[in-house]
Amino acid sequence: DAGVIQSPRHEVTEMGQEVTLRCKPISGHDYLFWYRQTMMRGLELLIYFNNNVPIDDSGMPEDRFSAKMPNASFSTLKIQPSEPRDSAVYFCASILGSVLTEAFFGQGTRLTVV
Amino acid sequence: TQLLEQSPQFLSIQEGENLTVYCNSSSVFSSLQWYRQEPGEGPVLLVTVVTGGEVKKLKRLTFQFGDARKDSSLHITAAQPGDTGLYLCAGDIVAGGNTPLVFGKGTRLSVIA
Repeated sequence: DAGVIQSPRHEVTEMGQEVTLRCKPISGHDYLFWYRQTMMRGLELLIYFNNNVPIDDSGMPEDRFSAKMPNASFSTLKIQPSEPRDSAVYFCASILGSVLTEAFFGQGTRLTVV
Repeated sequence: TQLLEQSPQFLSIQEGENLTVYCNSSSVFSSLQWYRQEPGEGPVLLVTVVTGGEVKKLKRLTFQFGDARKDSSLHITAAQPGDTGLYLCAGDIVAGGNTPLVFGKGTRLSVIA
């Protein structure tokens, strides 16, 4: 397996534009997590899914953020409209079975909103 | 409020020195994990500890889970430049919402040759 795949690796957009980040988890993994990483706040959990169903989205900062998982092999995180303070590295991670097992992270998407 | 506090935030040492980094919380965790993250990459799991008082060794790295399962430490013996990176602890809380994989902000380690 190629691991967790995120796209794009880098995204530069203007304030007010819509941004969509994509994630393909490892095949067979039943949990998927979206995190945001900044120097100030570290790695923050935004939302996670179990078997494609959103379980906890309390970390989503505002209504401008939304996430979907239409099937077991694909998830998106959308920001609309984007703001400069959304600039960060966004990670997707997947887990097989339970939270005691290893979380496999993608390489992240570095988002810059100017 | 950060559920997991890591210290120190930054650490710069010479090759060959020993070091310990800490992960503390007021919450009890079912399990705790340590990850290492290198620039431009996602975190990679080093170890999972489950039992209070548990000690695990991974070559020159020694991990300990506190007896009360509220804290953990990572000790590196004879640090090498290849140990450079961001060390993150992550835990899942025992009760009350059970949010999995809450991360600390990390300790950024630099080992100078």
